Amino acid sequence: AQTVTQSQPEMSVQEAETVTLSCTYDTSESDYYLFWYKQPPSRQMILVIRQEAYKQQNATENRFSVNFQKAAKSFSLKISDSQLGDAAMYFCAYRGTFMEYGNKLVFGAGTILRVKS
Amino acid sequence: ETGVTQTPRHLVMGMTNKKSLKCEQHLGHNAMYWYKQSAKKPLELMFVYNFKEQTENNSVPSRFSPECPNSSHLFLHLHTLQPEDSALYLCASSQDYRGAYNEQFFGPGTRLTVL
Repeated sequence: AQTVTQSQPEMSVQEAETVTLSCTYDTSESDYYLFWYKQPPSRQMILVIRQEAYKQQNATENRFSVNFQKAAKSFSLKISDSQLGDAAMYFCAYRGTFMEYGNKLVFGAGTILRVKS
Repeated sequence: ETGVTQTPRHLVMGMTNKKSLKCEQHLGHNAMYWYKQSAKKPLELMFVYNFKEQTENNSVPSRFSPECPNSSHLFLHLHTLQPEDSALYLCASSQDYRGAYNEQFFGPGTRLTVL
């Protein structure tokens, strides 16, 4: 079974600085999807960024980028120029591509990101 | 309203009560999901409905009873819950459950406290 591990329960960053959130996963599949979701306090969880495992190029979305290391099964999220609105719980998630797994997401336990002004 | 909505946002109930959580999606999706989010634990998938049919039941205790009358609405009926069932219950929807990847959209959740 696939597992996702986020080893940092909490992280802090100064406004305008850069922070990296870690995620590792375990799978025997060669093709899959990886995601970072953001859950602000008392607000809906939203998708931040997605990476397809067959793509070597790291995904980027404005100030958010990932460092995808397939061999190491590592998928970290880098937030540049951190803003107060980035404060949230961040979840790393995995989805396999086999039809029998369905659209099932496997989540990590989350990392709380605090942004200091 | 747009997106995925959930009511109530907060619920406090005793162990002998019966209550229901409601989820509604306005995205035209065909798959709906219930997740349980407990502190310091990964989100746990509870149930999946695809085109109103239950597709997944991840060994959830029978005190949780889902209902999906149509593709836009999903309920979670609760009865004789335990204090350890206190958690944030999230609803999500996606275009489909089988086939190629499609994004899940989440509701804001219902914060449930069982006394």
